[in-house]
Amino acid sequence: NAGVTQTPKFQVLKTGQSMTLQCAQDMNHEYMSWYRQDPGMGLRLIHYSVGAGITDQGEVPNGYNVSRSTTEDFPLRLLSAAPSQTSVYFCASSYSGTKVSPLHFGNGTRLTVT
Amino acid sequence: EDKVVQSPLSLVVHEGDTVTLNCSYEVTNFRSLLWYKQEKKAPTFLFMLTSSGIEKKSGRLSSILDKKELSSILNITATQTGDSAIYLCAVEAEGRGATNKLIFGTGTLLAVQP
Repeated sequence: NAGVTQTPKFQVLKTGQSMTLQCAQDMNHEYMSWYRQDPGMGLRLIHYSVGAGITDQGEVPNGYNVSRSTTEDFPLRLLSAAPSQTSVYFCASSYSGTKVSPLHFGNGTRLTVT
Repeated sequence: EDKVVQSPLSLVVHEGDTVTLNCSYEVTNFRSLLWYKQEKKAPTFLFMLTSSGIEKKSGRLSSILDKKELSSILNITATQTGDSAIYLCAVEAEGRGATNKLIFGTGTLLAVQP
């Protein structure tokens, strides 16, 4: 059982470039989410989804897009990268679309924007 | 505004010591409190505490929820170097719509020296 798989593990972008962070889970979880983790800020929710075709904004959604065309996949798109988006990004999922804990996390993507 | 505060921010102990990590919260419509351990990669789930389960124990780790004081502690006895990690506290609360929300604290960085 792979759990939650994120790719890539590391990425360096130049300001203005776009990219997609991939996330896939094989646990048939309803709920999927993206967090960013910054020093002193904790984990902050970017976007989440409670099922295929349903997405919603979290605490810090600006500059990011998501889609959920299948139950398994929840990609995060950076439209025009900015240095403020330098962070570690975690994808997380849980069984229920209403009661969201406990979350199962992927291993993270470390993104640097220069 | 919902918030979760952890203390201390960091601490250094020696192997064999006992440590107590603190988490306090202010949220609307509390549902559960969770503890995670984060080493180099993904946060891994330790405990979930609810109104019906205010005390959990697993090996050398234990946690108690005090709903009156809106807080929780995580105890680690006979610490080992493998306990070195960031310990995250998160609180699940009622969110807007049908989906609950998870609010994370900034974590406590624990370093256990040999």
